[in-house]
Amino acid sequence: DGGITQSPKYLFRKEGQNVTLSCEQNLNHDAMYWYRQDPGQGLRLIYYSQIVNDFQKGDIAEGYSVSREKKESFPLTVTSAQKNPTAFYLCASSSWGPENEQFFGPGTRLTVL
Amino acid sequence: GQSLEQPSEVTAVEGAIVQINCTYQTSGFYGLSWYQQHDGGAPTFLSYNALDGLEETGRFSSFLSRSDSYGYLLLQELQMKDSASYFCAVRNQAGTALIFGKGTTLSVSS
Repeated sequence: DGGITQSPKYLFRKEGQNVTLSCEQNLNHDAMYWYRQDPGQGLRLIYYSQIVNDFQKGDIAEGYSVSREKKESFPLTVTSAQKNPTAFYLCASSSWGPENEQFFGPGTRLTVL
Repeated sequence: GQSLEQPSEVTAVEGAIVQINCTYQTSGFYGLSWYQQHDGGAPTFLSYNALDGLEETGRFSSFLSRSDSYGYLLLQELQMKDSASYFCAVRNQAGTALIFGKGTTLSVSS
């Protein structure tokens, strides 16, 4: 089955620790994205990547880092510099072109204690 | 930059019709998209309008007026399963990623 996987679904970390969220897709999509969702805030763009070994900051990139070493994978690291990391994190992918829909993974709910 | 405005909540009863409006401001326009998200789930694509007019897909329709920077999602014959959040979205200035509105929570009651 083609799709996007994110693991784990729930993640707990202590304050001050870095944590890496995984995102893998087998849809052969070139573009991948990370969004953060907080109650009443909608989806806010953190980082995105159009091709391997290249990525761009979104609207709320501070305190986050990414890598894109493989087409299938786009991990997100939430660093200790992120002031309020507790949120629902969604990964997405798409083909080229503005008309192409973005497919979302099931999300990871991160709680920092 | 990009910004989108949509109502935060809408309520309706089963079988009714509801319209969710979206106004946007963009520095480059590549079309208006709509996504549905059930509580705790992943957003899923509903529709995309690049040109003015109405696009119909089953019980859902989406409308765009580029001159008014306005669009809406029309849901007909509402069902309980339509209770969800609905997001309008436009592309960023480079056209490389979607920027979402804050979402409209639709509650359908019997």
